[in-house]
Amino acid sequence: ETGVTQSPTHLIKTRGQQVTLRCSSQSGHNTVSWYQQALGQGPQFIFQYYREEENGRGNFPPRFSGLQFPNYSSELNVNALELDDSALYLCASSPLPLAASSYEQYFGPGTRLTVT
Amino acid sequence: GQQLNQSPQSMFIQEGEDVSMNCTSSSIFNTWLWYKQEPGEGPVLLIALYKAGELTSNGRLTAQFGITRKDSFLNISASIPSDVGIYFCAGRVGSQGNLIFGKGTKLSVKP
Repeated sequence: ETGVTQSPTHLIKTRGQQVTLRCSSQSGHNTVSWYQQALGQGPQFIFQYYREEENGRGNFPPRFSGLQFPNYSSELNVNALELDDSALYLCASSPLPLAASSYEQYFGPGTRLTVT
Repeated sequence: GQQLNQSPQSMFIQEGEDVSMNCTSSSIFNTWLWYKQEPGEGPVLLIALYKAGELTSNGRLTAQFGITRKDSFLNISASIPSDVGIYFCAGRVGSQGNLIFGKGTKLSVKP
């Protein structure tokens, strides 16, 4: 069984640019969530995708957007990058959608984004 | 917004000692999860709790879901050097389902 994988591992972008981060969910998992983890903080929920549709969103602006594909892999896109977007971006997959009574999320290793 | 207060912020202990950390909130949660994160890695799920009062063990780890549903604790018995890392609590609120994380407890174990 393959775990959650993310690419790239590290990325350096300039303020104002756009970035796309990728995630492959764990085998058998149909739900993907994205989190932003600033240095020294816990992860913060960005949004979740279930069956290729956004199924919940945290307090992040519209320039954070995403996609989920039929094979359950996912992308996180961030437009007009700001310096504060520098963080570790984590993808997590789960076998059940948000509102299920049993709820466990499994995280990938993350993508470290640096905005200069 | 909802916040989780996790304490202590950091701990320096001797190998073999027991460890206790906890999370509290002003909001009611219907799920508590405990994760461990090591440098350069994503959080790894340790224990999941679904019912108020539930006490669950995973090897040397034991976690409890507080009766008020506003708190949870994690105990590690007989710590070893590989227990080093940052431990996060996370809670799920109502039907929304997204996880809210604490700021973490950094554990250092001296051999």
